[in-house]
Amino acid sequence: QVQLVESGGGVVQPGRSLRLSCAASGFTFSTYGMHWVRQAPGTGLEWVALISYGGGAYKYYRDSVKGRFTISRDDSKNTLYLQMNNLRTEDTAIYYCARASVEEVDLASLDYWGQGTLVTVSS
Amino acid sequence: EVVMTQSPATLSVSPGERVTLSCRASQSVSSNLAWYQQKPGRAPSLLIYEASTRATGTPARFSGSGSGTEFTLSISSLQSEDSAVYYCQQYNKWPPMFTFGQGTKLEI
Repeated sequence: QVQLVESGGGVVQPGRSLRLSCAASGFTFSTYGMHWVRQAPGTGLEWVALISYGGGAYKYYRDSVKGRFTISRDDSKNTLYLQMNNLRTEDTAIYYCARASVEEVDLASLDYWGQGTLVTVSS
Repeated sequence: EVVMTQSPATLSVSPGERVTLSCRASQSVSSNLAWYQQKPGRAPSLLIYEASTRATGTPARFSGSGSGTEFTLSISSLQSEDSAVYYCQQYNKWPPMFTFGQGTKLEI
């Protein structure tokens, strides 16, 4: 069965960096676009980034994280990453990785989600 | 950026009733709209995609409709387990910007 397991969250000071990982199993990882979506405490869902299938030639970000966050993938390890630099207090959230619902299609819904990892940015 | 607006923010209903949740897009997203259910302390789960297609495992009492800028999620014969926050999301625009609505909290 499809499984997505995030790790790497924690407490970090503003301006510092953190790298999140998402280990995927149960499907052919390389043929699916992958996303990061976050949820600040008590608020709604916010899309963060997308990396295209097949090596990740294309990457897209929401404006507020452009230049600070980098999404990447290692298809040989079935793992998705989110490198977060220059973190701000407003980046505090649960970060979910999620899979695009259609193989080899970037514009699709998200059909499988991990359990999330909490990132707290605080001095 | 496409803005997704959901209404109402909160809805309190009784078991067995039927409810309709609304989602409006600030510009046309064609039928590229999904609905998600999120229960407390859990990750979201996909209910509906392409505006009206039930995802695997979604009970038949959930139905989606609409296209363009106006969408609805209907739930018939409400059950206590349907208590959750429901989000709509568009995935139409290029370059990709997968905007979510702010959510509707459904209390049974």
